[in-house]
Amino acid sequence: SQKIEQNSEALNIQEGKTATLTCNYTNYSPAYLQWYRQDPGRGPVFLLLIRENEKEKRKERLKVTFDTTLKQSLFHITASQPADSATYLCALVHDKVIFGPGTSLSVIP
Amino acid sequence: KAGVTQTPRYLIKTRGQQVTLSCSPISGHRSVSWYQQTPGQGLQFLFEYFSETQRNKGNFPGRFSGRQFSNSRSEMNVSTLELGDSALYLCASSWGTGINTEAFFGQGTRLTVV
Repeated sequence: SQKIEQNSEALNIQEGKTATLTCNYTNYSPAYLQWYRQDPGRGPVFLLLIRENEKEKRKERLKVTFDTTLKQSLFHITASQPADSATYLCALVHDKVIFGPGTSLSVIP
Repeated sequence: KAGVTQTPRYLIKTRGQQVTLSCSPISGHRSVSWYQQTPGQGLQFLFEYFSETQRNKGNFPGRFSGRQFSNSRSEMNVSTLELGDSALYLCASSWGTGINTEAFFGQGTRLTVV
C-alpha cells in the first residue's frame, strides 16, 4: 500500500540555521509533490509545488528538491526564524492527494 | 478576497446522530476537497468535487458523503456518527481540479462525538 514518511521526530534547530525536512514515499508515482505549513488550530497553508520532472524549486528562503529515483523530497528553510516554527506537511499528488504525517519544527531563538 | 469559510467551527454530537458541515470556497474556485485530520491518522482525503461532480473519493465508509452546489459551495454529511469520527474536518478549494494547482484550506470544523 502507499506510504509516506516524514522526519519521525520533531525537529529543533537554532535560529539562523538551515532546517531540512524529509519526505519519503513508497508504492506511489506522484505527478506532483507539494509542501504545506500548518499552525495549531488552523488549516494547512500551501508553500511550494514541484513537478516530477523538476529537480529543485526555490521561493525566498525555501527550497524543495524532488528525487523520483530515491522517492524522496527534501524541504529546506534557510536562515530559519522562530516564526518558522510549525508543522510541515508534504503531499503527493497523482489522481488524488495523499498527505504525509507532518514534521513539527521548532526554531529556538 | 475572502478565504475559504467553513461552518460551524466547533460541533459536539452524540453517537448515532448525523452531521452536516459546510464549506464556501474562494470566489471563482470550482474545486472543493474534504479532509479528515486526527492525531493518529494525520490528514486523510475524503473526496473532491469539481463543478458539482465528485471526481475522487478516499477510503472512507459510505456514512461519509458530500455534494457540491452550482455556486461551488460544498457540504459533507456523516451519518450514524461513531466516536472515531471525532476529528478536524478541513475543506480546501482550488481554481482547477485540485491536482496541480494550489489548494487553499479553511480553518476547519472541529467535530467531537460523545
